[in-house]
Amino acid sequence: SQQGEEDPQALSIQEGENATMNCSYKTSINNLQWYRQNSGRGLVHLILIRSNEREKHSGRLRVTLDTSKKSSSLLITASRAADTASYFCASLIQGAQKLVFGQGTRLTINP
Amino acid sequence: EAGVAQSPRYKIIEKRQSVAFWCNPISGHATLYWYQQILGQGPKLLIQFQNNGVVDDSQLPKDRFSAERLKGVDSTLKIQPAKLEDSAVYLCASSLLRGTGELFFGEGSRLTVL
Repeated sequence: SQQGEEDPQALSIQEGENATMNCSYKTSINNLQWYRQNSGRGLVHLILIRSNEREKHSGRLRVTLDTSKKSSSLLITASRAADTASYFCASLIQGAQKLVFGQGTRLTINP
Repeated sequence: EAGVAQSPRYKIIEKRQSVAFWCNPISGHATLYWYQQILGQGPKLLIQFQNNGVVDDSQLPKDRFSAERLKGVDSTLKIQPAKLEDSAVYLCASSLLRGTGELFFGEGSRLTVL
């Protein structure tokens, strides 16, 4: 079964609003990564947070990690139409060194 | 820098036929991955190579799927015979080192089995 579960499965917001996606995982990890996938395309890496970090920023992206709850969140601020895509969290399982993806959140930004 | 190249982009076959997908990773990347992504789901790891050796193929259906990475560079994923449930996008990815940072993905090969 997949390591990560994402919530919500789909999110639709107005341009300019903030979007928050959540991810939970099951086993100990070395790091957690977020990827974006535009329709019909490959995945693009957005940001990586290590297991000893709690928060990380990159441009309009903010990622948090709570290892005690085995959860992470991705916040996209001031959303744009171009942010419309599916977003996946991926956890690097400790020991196995295997990157396992969640089911994804489908984000739609309405102009 | 050239990205991960995959071919073909699209393939339609009938069940029980065979198909092969090709991947050329980013130059210098030691680790290569094949993921299967069924419509509406996240990618599922099929096989992971470190140079030309297999480090994880625990989710590869070995009765019908095979993969090789000759000379530690290009890789081929084969399905024979194909089943209806193999309809998916097959994504190839590479990374500089195993178990560290980001993966770089190709555009994927979309397989439809009729």
